[in-house]
Amino acid sequence: NAGVTQTPKFRVLKTGQSMTLLCAQDMNHEYMYWYRQDPGMGLRLIHYSVGEGTTAKGEVPDGYNVSRLKKQNFLLGLESAAPSQTSVYFCASSYGNRGPNTGELFFGEGSRLTVL
Amino acid sequence: AQSVTQLGSHVSVSEGALVLLRCNYSSSVPPYLFWYVQYPNQGLQLLLKYTSAATLVKGINGFEAEFKKSETSFHLTKPSAHMSDAAEYFCAVSGGGSNYKLTFGKGTLLTVNP
Repeated sequence: NAGVTQTPKFRVLKTGQSMTLLCAQDMNHEYMYWYRQDPGMGLRLIHYSVGEGTTAKGEVPDGYNVSRLKKQNFLLGLESAAPSQTSVYFCASSYGNRGPNTGELFFGEGSRLTVL
Repeated sequence: AQSVTQLGSHVSVSEGALVLLRCNYSSSVPPYLFWYVQYPNQGLQLLLKYTSAATLVKGINGFEAEFKKSETSFHLTKPSAHMSDAAEYFCAVSGGGSNYKLTFGKGTLLTVNP
């Protein structure tokens, strides 16, 4: 059981380049999330999805886009990367507000992005 | 609206000593509260959670936390620190019910000295 898998794990971009981070989960979770982690800032929610075909903005959505075309996948895109987007990105998934695991998030191992 | 404040960005203890990591929350609805742990170069994993059942919650690796509504606190404790406990710890809050988004604190880095 792989859980939550993120690809790629590392990437270096130049300012203005675009890229997509892929998150895949095999737990049949309804909800998926993208967070960024920066030193001293904790985790901040970028975008999230409550089901296939839905997306919503989180706390820090500017400069990012997302898509959830399939239930198991959640893509995070950067159309024109900026140095301020240098960060570690975490994908997470959850059952949402049902069952004994209400609210519990399952995290991937992170994707470290550097924008030069 | 919900928020979490973790007091102390860095806590250092000796091996065998008590671990106390502080978390205070703010929530407009009855909260669900969580502690997550992050080991170096890894994702976050759940230590324990409070979801309106028992106020004293036991988690993995000997950690526990007590929900105190009057103090709006959810402090994490472990009676005796082990070297393997060295990690960053995050407190998080959600509104429960239909509010399934977690808001995280800024984290507390725990160092365990031999």
